[in-house]
Amino acid sequence: NAGVTQTPKFQVLKTGQSMTLQCAQDMNHNSMYWYRQDPGMGLRLIYYSASEGTTDKGEVPNGYNVSRLNKREFSLRLESAAPSQTSVYFCASTGGRNTEAFFGQGTRLTVV
Amino acid sequence: KQEVTQIPAALSVPEGENLVLNCSFTDSAIYNLQWFRQDPGKGLTSLLLIQSSQREQTSGRLNASLDKSSGRSTLYIAASQPGDSATYLCAVRTILTSGTYKYIFGTGTRLKVLA
Repeated sequence: NAGVTQTPKFQVLKTGQSMTLQCAQDMNHNSMYWYRQDPGMGLRLIYYSASEGTTDKGEVPNGYNVSRLNKREFSLRLESAAPSQTSVYFCASTGGRNTEAFFGQGTRLTVV
Repeated sequence: KQEVTQIPAALSVPEGENLVLNCSFTDSAIYNLQWFRQDPGKGLTSLLLIQSSQREQTSGRLNASLDKSSGRSTLYIAASQPGDSATYLCAVRTILTSGTYKYIFGTGTRLKVLA
């Protein structure tokens, strides 16, 4: 049982380049989330998807787009990367409201 | 707006000591609270989930308590070991206007257990 799988694990981008971070879960969860983690700031929600076919903005959505491709997969896209987007990105999924959240191993992104 | 605070930010203890990590939140309207462990360069591993109607949960040497009315949770680690060294994060689950839920995280307590 893989849980939540993120790819890639590491990425270096030049300013202005684009890329897509992939996330897949195999727990049949309805809700999926993208967070970024920065030193001293904790985890902040970028976008979330309550169910297949729906997406909503979180606290820090600017510069990002998302796609809920199907129930399993939720991708995060940086259209034009900026140094301020250097961070560690985590994908998470949950089932019903009283269930645990499960996190992927993270993608460490550096924008130079 | 929900805010989650963890004190202390860092803690260093000798092996074998019992210790308490604190988490406080400003809005008591939560569904549950979850404690996570994060090792350097790794993802978050769930340790304990406490529902809003529960007072505590136990797993092995870990015990988490929840006092929703006062906005506090504690994670108690018994007989600490060097392998417990990690950052411990708490997160409260709150409802969004869309009817779904999100987690608000504290900034964590970085624990080091000395052999």
